[in-house]
Amino acid sequence: GENVGLHLPTLSVQEGDNSIINCAYSNSASDYFIWYKQESGKGPQFIIDIRSNMDKRQGQRVTVLLNKTVKHLSLQIAATQPGDSAVYFCAENIKDTGNQFYFGTGTSLTVIP
Amino acid sequence: GAVVSQHPSRVICKSGTSVKIECRSLDFQATTMFWYRQFPKQSLMLMATSNEGSKATYEQGVEKDKFLINHASLTLSTLTVTSAHPEDSSFYICSARDATRRNNYGYTFGSGTRLTVV
Repeated sequence: GENVGLHLPTLSVQEGDNSIINCAYSNSASDYFIWYKQESGKGPQFIIDIRSNMDKRQGQRVTVLLNKTVKHLSLQIAATQPGDSAVYFCAENIKDTGNQFYFGTGTSLTVIP
Repeated sequence: GAVVSQHPSRVICKSGTSVKIECRSLDFQATTMFWYRQFPKQSLMLMATSNEGSKATYEQGVEKDKFLINHASLTLSTLTVTSAHPEDSSFYICSARDATRRNNYGYTFGSGTRLTVV
């Protein structure tokens, strides 16, 4: 696995503000990324994905940015709402190694009403 | 949409016993399923990849004799934790891949199983 014994960093934002959650990856062969949201006691829920031939992708209230030069991924959530409070993970698929995904450390987002 | 059902959601077992966790794809055929474990306040760690009708591929450091994976049909994969010990207590999550879906690489996650070994 890629992450052992790491504890989640945290981010607190005021309701209505924008949130930016960051993820660094190390494998330059990673070519497909997914952001997941995980609420307590539940499985991960798909938010948005991006392939390595893109540097930006937008969804509803979310934007993912990919910087392959520095191997960095970010998730921007616009007008953050209390329901956005959760743990957010980026997951990467490494080209030509199969269909499995490896998860990053994760960030715990708390939205303050 | 694609739904993955995981059962049981919670289980408590005695040390030394075995526990089976089921992962079912309810409305699609899952060519590939994945098993993860997650410790509190940590990330998901991939344990193994199972393909229907063939042996599972385990990640480095995962004991295949302890975590038995069976993917006998296109809608069911099971993970059996054998001779469970307290250190096996964790949140186990499966995901299933629907090869017909283009979005999200076809992955859907189950709701997880909280295993507590006492």
